[in-house]
Amino acid sequence: DTGVSQDPRHKITKRGQNVTFRCDPISEHNRLYWYRQTLGQGPEFLTYFQNEAQLEKSRLLSDRFSAERPKGSFSTLEIQRTEQGDSAMYLCASSFLQGEQYFGPGTRLTVT
Amino acid sequence: GENVEQHPSTLSVQEGDSAVIKCTYSDSASNYFPWYKQELGKRPQLIIDIRSNVGEKKDQRIAVTLNKTAKHFSLHITETQPEDSAVYFCAASQDTGRRALTFGSGTRLQVQP
Repeated sequence: DTGVSQDPRHKITKRGQNVTFRCDPISEHNRLYWYRQTLGQGPEFLTYFQNEAQLEKSRLLSDRFSAERPKGSFSTLEIQRTEQGDSAMYLCASSFLQGEQYFGPGTRLTVT
Repeated sequence: GENVEQHPSTLSVQEGDSAVIKCTYSDSASNYFPWYKQELGKRPQLIIDIRSNVGEKKDQRIAVTLNKTAKHFSLHITETQPEDSAVYFCAASQDTGRRALTFGSGTRLQVQP
C-alpha cells in the first residue's frame, strides 16, 4: 500500500497519560497535515509541515500537543497529559506542494 | 479565519434521484474548494474539486458549481446509486501558501434502493 499510513489505528489511554501517534506520508509528498475529527463533525486543522518545517499551528493545538517531522519524512503527534476532551480521530494527510490532500486511515484515541 | 457552513446535515433520496449539497464560506481569499466522501470507518477521499477561476466542473455523475460573489458552492450528484451513501464534506482553502482545509460539518447521504 503506497498511501498514507498511520500507527496505531486505535489507542485507549487513561486520563493524564501521554500518547504519541505516527504518520507516514506518500513518499514524494513534501506537505503533511494533521487534523482532528470528532463524531459527526468535519476534520479540523491542527498543524502542517512543509518538509521538516512546521509552518502553521491552529489555535486548537494547545501547549499539550506537539508535532514533529524530522528529516521531512514521517511525522509524530504527541499529546501530553491527555484529557477526555482529546478523544477523537486524528487524521494525517499529505500532498505534493498545493496538490490534492490524501488522507490516512486515522488514529482513534479514546481517553478514559 | 475561514468558516464553512454545510447544508443539509442529512439527505435521503431514492435511487436514481439527484442529490444537492450546499456550502457557504466566509473568507473571500479562499479559492480552492474540494469535496470529500467518507464512508463509515474509512478515510476521507477527494471526489471532485474546483478553483475559483471556473464556475462549474463535472465528472461523470458528479458536478460542483461555485458562485464567488455569493460565496457559496454546491455538489450535485445525479442518478444516485446505493454506493453513493456516505458522509460528504465540503472544504475551502487558499490555493497558495497555507492550503490547510477548513471543512464543513458534513452531510449524511442515504440512497434508498
